[in-house]
Amino acid sequence: SQQGEEDPQALSIQEGENATMNCSYKTSINNLQWYRQNSGRGLVHLILIRSNEREKHSGRLRVTLDTSKKSSSLLITASRAADTASYFCAHMIYNQGGKLIFGQGTELSVKP
Amino acid sequence: DAGITQSPRYKITETGRQVTLMCHQTWSHSYMFWYRQDLGHGLRLIYYSAAADITDKGEVPDGYVVSRSKTENFPLTLESATRSQTSVYFCASSETGAGETQYFGPGTRLLVL
Repeated sequence: SQQGEEDPQALSIQEGENATMNCSYKTSINNLQWYRQNSGRGLVHLILIRSNEREKHSGRLRVTLDTSKKSSSLLITASRAADTASYFCAHMIYNQGGKLIFGQGTELSVKP
Repeated sequence: DAGITQSPRYKITETGRQVTLMCHQTWSHSYMFWYRQDLGHGLRLIYYSAAADITDKGEVPDGYVVSRSKTENFPLTLESATRSQTSVYFCASSETGAGETQYFGPGTRLLVL
């Protein structure tokens, strides 16, 4: 399977703490993306990092990409209860029609 | 600005019936996608389309049919629904490419009895 793996599957933290989620994949990629899904809703794009980039920031989000280890991490700093959601990584396999392959997600719970 | 919409939002049907799930986007994005989301499997691509009249299979296309006569619409048809097709179905679109940022609809929850 080309599906990526995410770790941990579930994460529970207190408001104000940082949350780190990890994603691994198996093949060469063009880019890697992170999405958020609130319960019962569609996915929302958070950030895209290309294979020639190592780190990217967007507000309280920090994404890193290590192509040598075929892994990425998403850091949410100073978490809020509203960050409670499932987080998915998705990667675009290099030169294979550009389709996104999604991981199974990390379920984040931020307690007030 | 409606973005991307799906209808119906909830559907209950019986085994063997034909069901069509609708997807409409107002952005004129070239690319559109259908995914299903199941516990333990994450999101899996069913079909995608790069433009009107151009469609291609994804990871799990069996039992599904798509068409794209207009850029803004991408209906998904279950020709003869089976219980294994009980799932949440998401439509998505992308302006720049199949592997670029995708914008998702709210989903359709389908129950096949």
